[in-house]
Amino acid sequence: QQQVKQSPQSLIVQKGGISIINCAYENTAFDYFPWYQQFPGKGPALLIAIRPDVSEKKEGRFTISFNKSAKQFSLHIMDSQPGDSATYFCAARRYSTLTFGKGTMLLVSP
Amino acid sequence: DVKVTQSSRYLVKRTGEKVFLECVQDMDHENMFWYRQDPGLGLRLIYFSYDVKMKEKGDIPEGYSVSREKKERFSLILESASTNQTSMYLCASSFSVEIIPQYFGPGTRLLVL
Repeated sequence: QQQVKQSPQSLIVQKGGISIINCAYENTAFDYFPWYQQFPGKGPALLIAIRPDVSEKKEGRFTISFNKSAKQFSLHIMDSQPGDSATYFCAARRYSTLTFGKGTMLLVSP
Repeated sequence: DVKVTQSSRYLVKRTGEKVFLECVQDMDHENMFWYRQDPGLGLRLIYFSYDVKMKEKGDIPEGYSVSREKKERFSLILESASTNQTSMYLCASSFSVEIIPQYFGPGTRLLVL
């Protein structure tokens, strides 16, 4: 019940394309859903987050779509750039504990 | 520029040794966290602290303790290191009222022999 399932494990997108990463959860007690971006050799950094009472949140080229009834949320990266190549983690919070997905390695080819 | 620094990038210790991992943040953040990151298991919370001298257990606190005597410093202690504690350890901090990590340090890769 604490799991967050993330897919795909890896993704290759051409420059200018849309990158889509999906996450699904079971526990309806989760109340906050952040995404993190991690570059090689660095720690993750908070990218964008959404509450379950909102269906979409956009920050620049990054958008979270949230489907409460399906218990799914996704990260869309519009106009993907080589500099977006990184590992992305979704997460879900219950109380003060985050449960992370296993990560998606994104490669944006030039 | 935001900074979370960890005392070592790589560390090799022997089974049974007491190990100290230090983390310092320069952003005056209230919240600090210790995670471990393992292939196939992702990031798992060991402990977090929302104020000086305050600490809360995360998902996997067994075999670990923490200390937060000053706001900017959060230490993770392995009381008696074991081989199953070989991992990447990540410290994080945040000012977020959501009490989730905002910025992570670069990590300490610990090998316990």
